Parts: sequence; C-alpha cells; structure tokens
Amino acid sequence: GAGVSQSPSNKVTEKGKDVELRCDPISGHTALYWYRQSLGQGLEFLIYFQGNSAPDKSGLPSDRFSAERTGGSVSTLTIQRTQQEDSAVYLCASSLALGGSNTGELFFGEGSRLTVL
Amino acid sequence: AQSVTQLGSHVSVSEGALVLLRCNYSSSVPPYLFWYVQYPNQGLQLLLKYTTGATLVKGINGFEAEFKKSETSFHLTKPSAHMSDAAEYFCAVSARGGYNKLIFGAGTRLAVHP
Repeated sequence: GAGVSQSPSNKVTEKGKDVELRCDPISGHTALYWYRQSLGQGLEFLIYFQGNSAPDKSGLPSDRFSAERTGGSVSTLTIQRTQQEDSAVYLCASSLALGGSNTGELFFGEGSRLTVL
Repeated sequence: AQSVTQLGSHVSVSEGALVLLRCNYSSSVPPYLFWYVQYPNQGLQLLLKYTTGATLVKGINGFEAEFKKSETSFHLTKPSAHMSDAAEYFCAVSARGGYNKLIFGAGTRLAVHP
C-alpha cells in the first residue's frame, strides 16, 4: 500500500478481554516496529521485527503482550487480559532495512487507539 | 544507553514569531537525529533528519535544525510561526550501525496564537 495501515483505528474493550491490533506496512519494508503512546507521554518502543523474526522484544511491558509477523508483511499485536493501564495509542512503523541509502527513517501509521474500561 | 530530553512540554508563540524547540541527546557516539511532527489524530511525519555532513539541516514546512556535537543538541527552529504549525513535535535518536530503533523524547506541544 501507499502507507502504513493500522486497524482498528479505535477499540473500546472491557478489562480482562483480549485485543488484537493489526499493522500492514509499506510494501517492500522489511523492518516493522510497534510503539505505544500513552496520554501525556512520549513514544515507548515495544518490539522490532526484521522479516518474520523479532530480534528486539525488549519493550514489551509484560507477558500479556505479544506480537507476530507473517509472510514478512502484516503484523498483529495481541494484548491478553487487558488492564486499564493498557489504554493508549499503539503506533506501527515500517522501514527499509538499514544500509545503503537508508539512514533510519521510520514511516508511521495513524495508530490504533485502545480504551480499556 | 541512548536518551533524548526535550525541554518544555508546552511552548506557546505568536503567529509570525520565532519557533525554538529544544532537544538534547545522550549517546556514546554521534547518533542519527530526527524531528517528527504529529498533528491531532494522525501518525508521525518526518520533519527532518541529520545523518552526516552539513550540521544545519533543512526540513519541510520551513523548519530547520542544527546538530551541535559539543552541546549534544539538535534544536528545531522556524523563523516565523504559522497557525498550521500547531502540533506535537518529537525529537528522536537512533544508533549508527544498528537497526532503525528510534528512541523518542517526551514531545513538545506547540501552540500558535494569532
């Protein structure tokens, strides 16, 4: 696609339910990132994918959070047993592999706003 | 470890006035440096980036930033603010030679008054 696409754009759920957030990166971008943006705070790195593997999961806040990427393209971020503190905007970004003329620019989607009641 | 500090969570200027948003970074080696802008209910858009070469970098919408190694700073400026510049601005760093993991500052919300 022309840009990074995320769905749903808004999700309201009840505490304790599981949610899945989807990211479709720019075609040809091998690297994919998930960030979390909480109200009044900056962007918090969650996880990085290169192809289908995730060499850096250091930002996942707990074992309730997981992510996968299939076919080197679409990624799904899953939050199990949601808590109110999980309420945030979850942003996905993609980029070309580092090297050559690529010097690190990430392209962001518009985010999925999660509200946990 | 790398980190980014943005001084001032909120900045307010008059239309036509100078915009100055401050960013300082901590890194063992000069990193790549970025400024992103986020308009309400939208994703982040790259304003400009410094990788190598000229330390004064020009970006979109009349913004520019200067990399000062001695001050570990990358402040964002615009000579004359426009109402449409009202947004949240994020400074970010990434490590040279690594993958493109960006570490972001907490952001500065810019308000522009008539």
